[in-house]
Amino acid sequence: DTAVSQTPKYLVTQMGNDKSIKCEQNLGHDTMYWYKQDSKKFLKIMFSYNNKELIINETVPNRFSPKSPDKAHLNLHINSLELGDSAVYFCASSQGRGRGYTFGSGTRLTVV
Amino acid sequence: GENVEQHPSTLSVQEGDSAVIKCTYSDSASNYFPWYKQELGKRPQLIIDIRSNVGEKKDQRIAVTLNKTAKHFSLHITETQPEDSAVYFCAASINGRDDKIIFGKGTRLHILP
Repeated sequence: DTAVSQTPKYLVTQMGNDKSIKCEQNLGHDTMYWYKQDSKKFLKIMFSYNNKELIINETVPNRFSPKSPDKAHLNLHINSLELGDSAVYFCASSQGRGRGYTFGSGTRLTVV
Repeated sequence: GENVEQHPSTLSVQEGDSAVIKCTYSDSASNYFPWYKQELGKRPQLIIDIRSNVGEKKDQRIAVTLNKTAKHFSLHITETQPEDSAVYFCAASINGRDDKIIFGKGTRLHILP
């Protein structure tokens, strides 16, 4: 009964490949997010969806494409992976209205 | 856009002593300030938050203070214990806009035996 679940937990892939990370939340939250945490632990927002609508799209290469089939799911597809994409990617959800996030357990992506 | 600065980047305190982490923010419209704790290999977890209409909030050994005029906010942990060792993130958000939370760069807290 995990609140925000991400799959896979670990992903090792070669440069140039395309990969997807999936996220699901069972909290009934309206808003979901993708954050990237680099090797220095810095958490940077990438995207946000509110009830399937894209509301935040930070300066992220267009190789990254989020998709939200419904408000409980937010997936991240990455094309043509590069070494610099190696990081931990966290999905999060929020009820909004100035409340904190619940984070998923993270996906550690390693590009070799 | 909002920018959150956090200091120090690393902090070592003796077990039982207090730890203080300080943050500043740039956007005066920010009105929600959560703090997250991230243990090694785990997800960030919300430990306490404060809204701009409140100057101080306490939850057992953890307290946060907010100075809206100076755009400063701080986390205070008293009677530190080994399980307090983690990376702590301050953050700021504007309620009612996109609820985007901007994080500070984190403070790695070491509790020394």
